[in-house]
Amino acid sequence: SAVISQKPSRDICQRGTSLTIQCQVDSQVTMMFWYRQQPGQSLTLIATANQGSEATYESGFVIDKFPISRPNLTFSTLTVSNMSPEDSSIYLCSVVGQRGLWYGYTFGSGTRLTVV
Amino acid sequence: GQQVMQIPQYQHVQEGEDFTTYCNSSTTLSNIQWYKQRPGGHPVFLIQLVKSGEVKKQKRLTFQFGEAKKNSSLHITATQTTDVGTYFCAGPDGSSNAGGTSYGKLTFGQGTILTVHP
Repeated sequence: SAVISQKPSRDICQRGTSLTIQCQVDSQVTMMFWYRQQPGQSLTLIATANQGSEATYESGFVIDKFPISRPNLTFSTLTVSNMSPEDSSIYLCSVVGQRGLWYGYTFGSGTRLTVV
Repeated sequence: GQQVMQIPQYQHVQEGEDFTTYCNSSTTLSNIQWYKQRPGGHPVFLIQLVKSGEVKKQKRLTFQFGEAKKNSSLHITATQTTDVGTYFCAGPDGSSNAGGTSYGKLTFGQGTILTVHP
């Protein structure tokens, strides 16, 4: 399966600021996704990162708050903008379809964000 | 939209006891996947079930997919402390290809947090 490098692993940020999370995959993948997970809770899909075009956002998530880029088939970023304490969570990228094959969905190690 | 319900939310067992978590979807699924997340870790893919009534085993883990392809279960025999973590089922939100695999977004169940007491 794919190997994902997600950075940063954790950060403590001031409210009103922005944080960009990076997800680098060791090979080209078909699909990339961004999830949010509160500790002890399930995963909530934020958006699907589309290569070379605007991301597809889920209900309750908007581009102005969570801008996403995917310039190629191996890299994506998620920015959490104008942060508030409610944005404190774990953010995970996920990929599927390494080299066009299917090995299940692979997750990055996550970014634990605390907004103070 | 599609909903995936999972029970129980928590399960505490003594080491050596069995454990089962159940997953129910509001819609028929083309496949169902199971993931394990260790404490402090990220979800890791365990298995995918595609066929109606399918049963798959991985050592002490047994996975079943219901005949109607709307429910699934994961059973662990003789739990060990290494089984600790949260187990999630997940269903694709849409159709899949002829092989039953999908590349679209997943809807996750709420997860079952398993604690194993030595």
